[in-house]
Amino acid sequence: EAQVTQNPRYLITVTGKKLTVTCSQNMNHEYMSWYRQDPGLGLRQIYYSMNVEVTDKGDVPEGYKVSRKEKRNFPLILESPSPNQTSLYFCASSYAGTVNEQFFGPGTRLTVL
Amino acid sequence: GQQLNQSPQSMFIQEGEDVSMNCTSSSIFNTWLWYKQDPGEGPVLLIALYKAGELTSNGRLTAQFGITRKDSFLNISASIPSDVGIYFCAGHPKGSQGNLIFGKGTKLSVKP
Repeated sequence: EAQVTQNPRYLITVTGKKLTVTCSQNMNHEYMSWYRQDPGLGLRQIYYSMNVEVTDKGDVPEGYKVSRKEKRNFPLILESPSPNQTSLYFCASSYAGTVNEQFFGPGTRLTVL
Repeated sequence: GQQLNQSPQSMFIQEGEDVSMNCTSSSIFNTWLWYKQDPGEGPVLLIALYKAGELTSNGRLTAQFGITRKDSFLNISASIPSDVGIYFCAGHPKGSQGNLIFGKGTKLSVKP
């Protein structure tokens, strides 16, 4: 089954404790992206990757890091999480030629205390 | 950063009614997209628009890419209870391939 998977689905952590949210897709998509969703703000793009070893900042990249060493994986790294990073995070992927038609993962709900 | 203004924020309608929502921007967008998000899930693409003036349908859904490239609307005809959810417009700003901007969403409630 074609899908985007995220792990963990739920995470409660404390300020300053480094964490990684993994994202993996099995559709051989070139493009991958991370978003955060907050009430009343819609989805905001954090980082995106057009292909392996190519990453770019979205609209809200501060406090986040990403890497794209393999085509199927695009982990989101929070080196020193803060409470304002409490949010619902979505990973998405698509073929490079159809960046618009993104498939979204199920989401990761992160709480930073 | 660039923003999309989506309205209305919420709608509460009777089953069978038609629905209309729209999105505007102060700058030009190359692509307009409409997504639906069900509770607890990620957004799912409904319609993608690639050319100014384009009118596209997907079942009971119809969307248009504005002539000025700064707006788009989504219509849902004869709404049914499963139309409930949050609808988002999104788009790629001119000059950007990977950057995707989302509106804040329209929450649709349908009364049987």
